[in-house]
Amino acid sequence: TQLLEQSPQFLSIQEGENLTVYCNSSSVFSSLQWYRQEPGEGPVLLVTVVTGGEVKKLKRLTFQFGDARKDSSLHITAAQPGDTGLYLCAGGQGAQKLVFGQGTRLTINP
Amino acid sequence: NAGVTQTPKFRVLKTGQSMTLLCAQDMNHEYMYWYRQDPGMGLRLIHYSVGEGTTAKGEVPDGYNVSRLKKQNFLLGLESAAPSQTSVYFCASSKGRGYTFGSGTRLTVV
Repeated sequence: TQLLEQSPQFLSIQEGENLTVYCNSSSVFSSLQWYRQEPGEGPVLLVTVVTGGEVKKLKRLTFQFGDARKDSSLHITAAQPGDTGLYLCAGGQGAQKLVFGQGTRLTINP
Repeated sequence: NAGVTQTPKFRVLKTGQSMTLLCAQDMNHEYMYWYRQDPGMGLRLIHYSVGEGTTAKGEVPDGYNVSRLKKQNFLLGLESAAPSQTSVYFCASSKGRGYTFGSGTRLTVV
């Protein structure tokens, strides 16, 4: 089973600060996705990256796929309380299957 | 557009009891998945289906069975519940790389 390691597992910062969450593996993935999950709800897809080195921006969120397609990062600029949640990375395998990292629980304090 | 609907939302079972979790999607997606989510372990794939009438085992299939008799429905069964199956269960569907998740079923086995 291919594994995805996310770091940090927990992050608590003040509103307005910047942060980066990492997702690493020793395996190559066909795609890498990021999801955000709020309490009592299912994960919601934020972005999919498929090409090594690809960078995608979603407002204040910047996602990057590593050149070798083994790792990814999520950078949030000027974090806001609404960014609070559980962030999950997921790597694409065959038959449209995804393997998920264990998640990064992010808290933004006002 | 309802997306992915899971029923029930909460359930308490006694050890040895059986139950079926229902997942329904109205997006005409080919692929459907059942995951369980436990603290610190992310989402782990139980079973999945690549089309009507087909199912396959995921990472943690023991103690569970599934059926996909209709394209829009994917059922997860527990024949004899055990405390280790206490978890939050998520169903997801996909037609490509991105998953759409249901809001989950919180199952407690006592």
